[in-house]
Amino acid sequence: SQTIHQWPATLVQPVGSPLSLECTVEGTSNPNLYWYRQAAGRGLQLLFYSVGIGQISSEVPQNLSASRPQDRQFILSSKKLLLSDSGFYLCAWRRSASYGANTEAFFGQGTRLTVV
Amino acid sequence: QKEVEQNSGPLSVPEGAIASLNCTYSDRGSQSFFWYRQYSGKSPELIMFIYSNGDKEDGRFTAQLNKASQYVSLLIRDSQPSDSATYLCAGGANFGNEKLTFGTGTRLTIIP
Repeated sequence: SQTIHQWPATLVQPVGSPLSLECTVEGTSNPNLYWYRQAAGRGLQLLFYSVGIGQISSEVPQNLSASRPQDRQFILSSKKLLLSDSGFYLCAWRRSASYGANTEAFFGQGTRLTVV
Repeated sequence: QKEVEQNSGPLSVPEGAIASLNCTYSDRGSQSFFWYRQYSGKSPELIMFIYSNGDKEDGRFTAQLNKASQYVSLLIRDSQPSDSATYLCAGGANFGNEKLTFGTGTRLTIIP
């Protein structure tokens, strides 16, 4: 079966510090990978998605970046965090849409980031 | 215009009644639609998906899709306190467009 791991679960970082969140998927190959951010009481904002190694699509211009160095690894980074970067960060995977219509996304447990 | 829109609520429904959650989408290329439930502090979990016009039933849940009106809904029958959560609607396209866009979510409270 497929599993998705995301860490850390919580993180408190000072303004201006760097960030690295990691997500890995097991039990599948060539997944689509997604990073979402959820501000308190809000919906999911799509930040980045990737359909393959080294392929990153950015949805929102900001001081965050994403990388996919391996097939089942997705990393979210920042060189200098802002207060507005606080939120609940969720990694998700799904099979490629080329496999068919019902390609639901499966989420990791999330990282609650507080920038102070 | 946001790609997927939901009434943010909050929506309060008496226990045992029907809860109706609505979602509209702007991208006619969207083919698959998903309803997720998210408890506070937790990650979303899939309830149902639908990709054909009409109704799809699974236990107490019914998803409805109207592609002409670009409208998706979720009905929860015999609402239980455990159904209290935020419900997220998502839309995705097939074959070449891999984005999966979520609405802002509707917060549902079931009143005992």
